[in-house]
Amino acid sequence: DQQVKQNSPSLSVQEGRISILNCDYTNSMFDYFLWYKKYPAEGPTFLISISSIKDKNEDGRFTVFLNKSAKHLSLHIVPSQPGDSAVYFCAASGGNNFNKFYFGSGTKLNVKP
Amino acid sequence: DGGITQSPKYLFRKEGQNVTLSCEQNLNHDAMYWYRQDPGQGLRLIYYSQIVNDFQKGDIAEGYSVSREKKESFPLTVTSAQKNPTAFYLCASTSRYPGEQYFGPGTRLTVT
Repeated sequence: DQQVKQNSPSLSVQEGRISILNCDYTNSMFDYFLWYKKYPAEGPTFLISISSIKDKNEDGRFTVFLNKSAKHLSLHIVPSQPGDSAVYFCAASGGNNFNKFYFGSGTKLNVKP
Repeated sequence: DGGITQSPKYLFRKEGQNVTLSCEQNLNHDAMYWYRQDPGQGLRLIYYSQIVNDFQKGDIAEGYSVSREKKESFPLTVTSAQKNPTAFYLCASTSRYPGEQYFGPGTRLTVT
């Protein structure tokens, strides 16, 4: 029972263009959402988060949008750079077990020079 | 500087042997976690601990055991009962809610 889903296993984007990574969740009790970036054989690094009281959070080139009614969040990277090429995971937490995080399966982003 | 350390980076064991993976943090975080990642897959939660001397099973706890005797340390033992132990293991911690998890560099375990 996967509560957080990333339906696109991969995404290819030209350098300088926008990258949009999507994530869906099923548990309406989730109230905190995060995006992580991961290189092979390394631990994930935190990128950006958003709480359910907001619908947008921005940090430099990274913006996360949250649509609670659709149970959908997205990560926008503008402009995309070759160094952004990595696997991106979305994660969610909340409800009774607020210290437990649920991760999606990841989207591999390739930014072409 | 603060962070999470996992050792060793690569670990090789024979089938049937128990092996313990180390995770130490100096971030003064209360909660610690163990995840497993298989090729092409996401992170699956093995065990987590919200406080010293307490821990809960995650989604794939069978064949694993943990202890939390100190706030800084959360070792994971992969027992011989784990059917497919070869994987990349990640340790993480978090201090507060809401807050992000900090991850260690991971340990790649290969069992042959």
